[in-house]
Amino acid sequence: DVKVTQSSRYLVKRTGEKVFLECVQDMDHENMFWYRQDPGLGLRLIYFSYDVKMKEKGDIPEGYSVSREKKERFSLILESASTNQTSMYLCASSPQGYRPNEKLFFGSGTQLSVL
Amino acid sequence: RKEVEQDPGPFNVPEGATVAFNCTYSNSASQSFFWYRQDCRKEPKLLMSVYSSGNEDGRFTAQLNRASQYISLLIRDSKLSDSATYLCVVNLSSNTGKLIFGQGTTLQVKP
Repeated sequence: DVKVTQSSRYLVKRTGEKVFLECVQDMDHENMFWYRQDPGLGLRLIYFSYDVKMKEKGDIPEGYSVSREKKERFSLILESASTNQTSMYLCASSPQGYRPNEKLFFGSGTQLSVL
Repeated sequence: RKEVEQDPGPFNVPEGATVAFNCTYSNSASQSFFWYRQDCRKEPKLLMSVYSSGNEDGRFTAQLNRASQYISLLIRDSKLSDSATYLCVVNLSSNTGKLIFGQGTTLQVKP
């Protein structure tokens, strides 16, 4: 069974802190994604990656960066956390294929609170 | 206008009822469509893909209407365990990698 593991289930940080959210998948998937989920807004794509060291901006990349040094690991970085980045963060992965994003496997999410 | 729109609900139905959700999408170039299910405080999981000809998986039927740009999900004989949020998902292109999620429709099945 595919496993996507996010390092923390709950995280509390202060405004201005640098925050790292880690995601690891164990199925050798090429594609990895970071979403945030907010009430009334649904899931919104922050960044995604199709390969090691490759990244592309999603719909809301401002205030975030990512790192993919190894195939299994995709990190989301908040350079200077702000209160409007309080949210549920979901990592996902999928295999490369004709339709690479048909089935996403999600991690269990990290609820980040920025105070 | 949102790219993918759903009625957030909640839809409250008794066990055994038939319930249907609709979802509209704005981009006529959208290529693939899906329904995901998300339980409270859990991650989304793929429920079913939606094909042009319509498709069925047990008590669940998904349909696509490209002319009107909407997809639907029909659940027959609702079970308590069907209580969840159902997310409509659209892929604009198989090459872009961008899945657009609706905000979800919440279903509560009551005994």
